[in-house]
Amino acid sequence: DQQVKQNSPSLSVQEGRISILNCDYTNSMFDYFLWYKKYPAEGPTFLISISSIKDKNEDGRFTVFLNKSAKHLSLHIVPSQPGDSAVYFCAARDAGKSTFGDGTTLTVKP
Amino acid sequence: DGGITQSPKYLFRKEGQNVTLSCEQNLNHDAMYWYRQDPGQGLRLIYYSQIVNDFQKGDIAEGYSVSREKKESFPLTVTSAQKNPTAFYLCASSRTRGETQYFGPGTRLLVL
Repeated sequence: DQQVKQNSPSLSVQEGRISILNCDYTNSMFDYFLWYKKYPAEGPTFLISISSIKDKNEDGRFTVFLNKSAKHLSLHIVPSQPGDSAVYFCAARDAGKSTFGDGTTLTVKP
Repeated sequence: DGGITQSPKYLFRKEGQNVTLSCEQNLNHDAMYWYRQDPGQGLRLIYYSQIVNDFQKGDIAEGYSVSREKKESFPLTVTSAQKNPTAFYLCASSRTRGETQYFGPGTRLLVL
């Protein structure tokens, strides 16, 4: 049973537009959520996080939204840039253990 | 510069051979982790260690072993018991368990 799901394997957007990456979870005990960005043949890099007591966290072009009632998390990137093209993983933490989604490949076209 | 290093970048394993993947960090982090990534899938936890001389099995520990003799180092051995070892292996560390994890560049293991 997959506790963290990223239902869209891929997403393609035009440069300058908004990218919205989605993540759903089933475990109501998750208390902290993170987004990581990964380029091919490299390790993931931490991007942005949000505590379960908040519903929004913003850092520059990146905003993460949390809807606890829907058990849904989203990452907004605006404006999108070609350098944002990568695989994005959401992760959720419960009692110190992080569970990762399968990732969404974002392609930003010039 | 502080960070996490993994070596080698690519590793080839013959049938029945044990191989060891290196992971070193100079971030003074207590917790370290090993994950496996298969194509199109997320990261699955193999082992983690919260402190020196202590480690715990993750979700897919069978066929793997680890040691944590030094705070900076957390090597992973892929044993001959691991029947499908071909994957991308990622090491991570965090200040303590549960805090944000920082990842190394990964090692790709291939079977000859």
